[in-house]
Amino acid sequence: EPEVTQTPSHQVTQMGQEVILRCVPISNHLYFYWYRQILGQKVEFLVSFYNNEISEKSEIFDDQFSVERPDGSNFTLKIRSTKLEDSAMYFCASRSGVEYSNQPQHFGDGTRLSIL
Amino acid sequence: GEDVEQSLFLSVREGDSSVINCTYTDSSSTYLYWYKQEPGAGLQLLTYIFSNMDMKQDQRLTVLLNKKDKHLSLRIADTQTGDSAIYFCAEKKDDSWGKFQFGAGTQVVVTP
Repeated sequence: EPEVTQTPSHQVTQMGQEVILRCVPISNHLYFYWYRQILGQKVEFLVSFYNNEISEKSEIFDDQFSVERPDGSNFTLKIRSTKLEDSAMYFCASRSGVEYSNQPQHFGDGTRLSIL
Repeated sequence: GEDVEQSLFLSVREGDSSVINCTYTDSSSTYLYWYKQEPGAGLQLLTYIFSNMDMKQDQRLTVLLNKKDKHLSLRIADTQTGDSAIYFCAEKKDDSWGKFQFGAGTQVVVTP
């Protein structure tokens, strides 16, 4: 069964450094998402992306964050200048654009980001 | 409001049924989902239900939706040790691009 893949599984970065988290969504999917889960807390929506632009974002997704689909397969989340509070598990998700917008999102295994 | 609430912990004996409950507050939420997260792993879609249904069954899983009370439950029949995980319910509003609002998750521990 096709799946969403994320790399790396664990990223350790110094505070203030830039980090790029990578995702390969399921190939025929058209809607892409990033979520994060701070340890012990809820999974929180960050951003949704469709047709090469952001369709919706949360208040967490400030100017330090950006997303890009640089080619036909990858979907990346960049954090420009990382802070300690960015430490979390980051999940990528995708869903098909076929039929109804209620199609479920399929999640990757996540990238654990640790800021030192 | 946008809160999705779940109880945090459930302990169940192997072979018994588990019932995980979820409440949501926004009546515009019309699609509800259950995901499973095993330790160190991602979110695995288990099942989902639309607001025009009140029950959905899929093998050992039964989802019940009470729209009047904004209450969703997931019943796992014949619970196995492999069912030990965190279970998240999530809602999607009809007018959003697919943004999910998740509950805090219910940790299910299955004991022999």
